[in-house]
Amino acid sequence: EDQVTQSPEALRLQEGESSSLNCSYTVSGLRGLFWYRQDPGKGPEFLFTLYSAGEEKEKERLKATLTKKESFLHITAPKPEDSATYLCAVNPGSARQLTFGSGTQLTVLP
Amino acid sequence: EADIYQTPRYLVIGTGKKITLECSQTMGHDKMYWYQQDPGMELHLIHYSYGVNSTEKGDLSSESTVSRIRTEHFPLTLESARPSHTSQYLCASSAGRHTEAFFGQGTRLTVV
Repeated sequence: EDQVTQSPEALRLQEGESSSLNCSYTVSGLRGLFWYRQDPGKGPEFLFTLYSAGEEKEKERLKATLTKKESFLHITAPKPEDSATYLCAVNPGSARQLTFGSGTQLTVLP
Repeated sequence: EADIYQTPRYLVIGTGKKITLECSQTMGHDKMYWYQQDPGMELHLIHYSYGVNSTEKGDLSSESTVSRIRTEHFPLTLESARPSHTSQYLCASSAGRHTEAFFGQGTRLTVV
């Protein structure tokens, strides 16, 4: 069965305190791993797509990396506006739709 | 920036009413999806479509129905709303089966 596990469930950082969010997956034939940001009451906002182990993508203070078993979302010198829930989703080759993790709720304190 | 729109953003409706949640996208995507999300919980797929006149049920059982008569339009209908239908409904679309999906802002439905 395809599974996506995100950790930690919640993370509180001081402004400027860098950290990483983890997304572990068990799927048969990964066809893509996706990171999203979701603000309260809104739809998820697409951030990155990763397709193969070793791939990295960057956007402002965020950097996503992928191995054969997990992905990390690194946040460098975060600001309060980075506070949100970060979702990881995988597209297994055998399935027709994305499988989402439960998310990491990030709070960045000023 | 994604061009996918949902209306209404918020809806409060009485038990037994029929409702239709609208979703439209201007990106020409063939694939469209409906997800349900309770506060602080995971997204669950309830319906998807791979093109006009093609609809399938998702993993989460739902009493709603969908239609796909036009590529850009994927409405969701509840024939008789119940309090258990209270949730956030998110519409999404993607260009391909293995590419990223873009989401609308969601419809927050409350059935009283």
